[in-house]
Amino acid sequence: ILNVEQSPQSLHVQEGDSTNFTCSFPSSNFYALHWYRWETAKSPEALFVMTLNGDEKKKGRISATLNTKEGYSYLYIKGSQPEDSATYLCAFDTGNQFYFGTGTSLTVIP
Amino acid sequence: GAGVSQSPSNKVTEKGKDVELRCDPISGHTALYWYRQRLGQGLEFLIYFQGNSAPDKSGLPSDRFSAERTGESVSTLTIQRTQQEDSAVYLCASSLAGGHGELFFGEGSRLTVL
Repeated sequence: ILNVEQSPQSLHVQEGDSTNFTCSFPSSNFYALHWYRWETAKSPEALFVMTLNGDEKKKGRISATLNTKEGYSYLYIKGSQPEDSATYLCAFDTGNQFYFGTGTSLTVIP
Repeated sequence: GAGVSQSPSNKVTEKGKDVELRCDPISGHTALYWYRQRLGQGLEFLIYFQGNSAPDKSGLPSDRFSAERTGESVSTLTIQRTQQEDSAVYLCASSLAGGHGELFFGEGSRLTVL
């Protein structure tokens, strides 16, 4: 079983604040790193799939970076809004299997 | 269909009963995954199908758990003689090819074993 860790476990921020969280993963058997957003009572939705060391992806106010050599990825949210409240999951993709972290639960306070 | 569909969305059962959970993946998606999330824990891998074959069953927690997939489409996860520790949200996901693209998840089946 591969160890994928996310921190912090939970986070409360004020509306308008920027925030970031971390996903740590093994540096071997890497194929891709995925980020998913899981809102309450909905299904997880993909945010980013990153494959190359140094990759940076952006979607609106959310962006992510990838360092495969040291085994971490950061997810950034700029100017958090209440609708950003969700659990953010990262998944380490070996090419035929996905290993999920336990997620970071984000609450944005209006 | 437009998305991954799971049924039932909620199931309450008594300890010792058998349950079946169903997953309809997105049409054309060859890879199908079952995960579960128990209260306070992360997503736990159960089983993975490529087509109708299951190359990785390593996550099935005991021989009470089984799964099958037919027609490279619908999958059924069966839990026999349910125990209270089986209570969880069971999520199904599909992708175009195993481990090569994003996962598309269903909304899950919440199982409560009394």
